[in-house]
Amino acid sequence: DTGVSQDPRHKITKRGQNVTFRCDPISEHNRLYWYRQTLGQGPEFLTYFQNEAQLEKSRLLSDRFSAERPKGSFSTLEIQRTEQGDSAMYLCASSYDRDRSSYEQYFGPGTRLTVT
Amino acid sequence: AQSVTQPDIHITVSEGASLELRCNYSYGATPYLFWYVQSPGQGLQLLLKYFSGDTLVQGIKGFEAEFKRSQSSFNLRKPSVHWSDAAEYFCAVGAQSGGGADGLTFGKGTHLIIQP
Repeated sequence: DTGVSQDPRHKITKRGQNVTFRCDPISEHNRLYWYRQTLGQGPEFLTYFQNEAQLEKSRLLSDRFSAERPKGSFSTLEIQRTEQGDSAMYLCASSYDRDRSSYEQYFGPGTRLTVT
Repeated sequence: AQSVTQPDIHITVSEGASLELRCNYSYGATPYLFWYVQSPGQGLQLLLKYFSGDTLVQGIKGFEAEFKRSQSSFNLRKPSVHWSDAAEYFCAVGAQSGGGADGLTFGKGTHLIIQP
């Protein structure tokens, strides 16, 4: 088990450009979560999937953000027309909801986005 | 809506001394509670969790936490800290949804500094 992986680890983009991040969860995990963490703050929930279904979206997820998990495995998070306020660490986590003891979320290393 | 308060932004402890990090939560029902640790350049690592049952839970690296419903608290403790414990610590609360866990709500974190 290699854990949750995210790609790329760092992304620098100019304001107005589109960016896409990828998350590969732990293989048997059916839930996948996206969070955003800005400097000096705790992670903030953005959205999550159960298999391929997107079950919840935070109000933080503006119309410029879209997430997909087409086959219930990896997920992508796209930000269109990036703004400087989008600069943050984007974290992915996964879990397996077979029973309550498996509700633990395992986090990836994150993708650090810098918008110039 | 749920919320988490970590009242201490920074805590400095001498190596070998005991540690207590405070966490207060707000949630209408019985919450799922977690403590995560984040070292510089590292992802979030789960230290321990509380779902139900015994209110004193043991975690990894010698940490424990006590759930006190009457005080809406879930404080993290360690009897003797090591220099390697220096990191950012996050308390988080989650709710059960559809057989699995919703996105977590994190506190802003407590930065732990270890003095030699």
